[in-house]
Amino acid sequence: AQTVTQSQPEMSVQEAETVTLSCTYDTSESNYYLFWYKQPPSRQMILVIRQEAYKQQNATENRFSVNFQKAAKSFSLKISDSQLGDTAMYFCAFMSNFGNEKLTFGTGTRLTIIP
Amino acid sequence: GAGVSQSPRYKVAKRGQDVALRCDPISGHVSLFWYQQALGQGPEFLTYFQNEAQLDKSGLPSDRFFAERPEGSVSTLKIQRTQQEDSAVYLCASSSDLNSNQPQHFGDGTRLSIL
Repeated sequence: AQTVTQSQPEMSVQEAETVTLSCTYDTSESNYYLFWYKQPPSRQMILVIRQEAYKQQNATENRFSVNFQKAAKSFSLKISDSQLGDTAMYFCAFMSNFGNEKLTFGTGTRLTIIP
Repeated sequence: GAGVSQSPRYKVAKRGQDVALRCDPISGHVSLFWYQQALGQGPEFLTYFQNEAQLDKSGLPSDRFFAERPEGSVSTLKIQRTQQEDSAVYLCASSSDLNSNQPQHFGDGTRLSIL
């Protein structure tokens, strides 16, 4: 079974600064997908960014980028020029490329952007 | 509708009562997932439908939990003889096809409180 670990329960950063959220995972599969989801107080899970394991290039989406280290099974999220609207819970998630497409989530990191 | 719709948004029930939670996926989405999110935790997989077929129910915590999607669109998660440990947010997600590179779109969830 796959596991996802987020070792930072809470983080805070000043507005406009850069912050990196950590995620490690464990799997025996060679091909899979990794995701970062954002969950604001409204509760809706919003996809921030995704990475396909067979792609070596790190994914980027505007101010969001990842550092994917497949050998180390590490998948960190970098948020540049942080904004107040980035305040939320952030979840790292794993999806197998075989059969069922269920997501396995970490326990989350609560990120607070300080004005 | 444009997104996944869940109802009710909040549900309070007394221990021992039965509850039913509804999910309207995005129109045309083949895959539908239910997750349970306890307070302060990441979502955990409950069950998965492909059209009307329930292909995986390995995450359902007990036989008190039952899910259906009879016409391949709307899904209902039913919990019988509710217990306090059933208190959680129940999230529904849908995705457009069987290809793993299609992201899951989440609803706002139903917060269930068992008194």
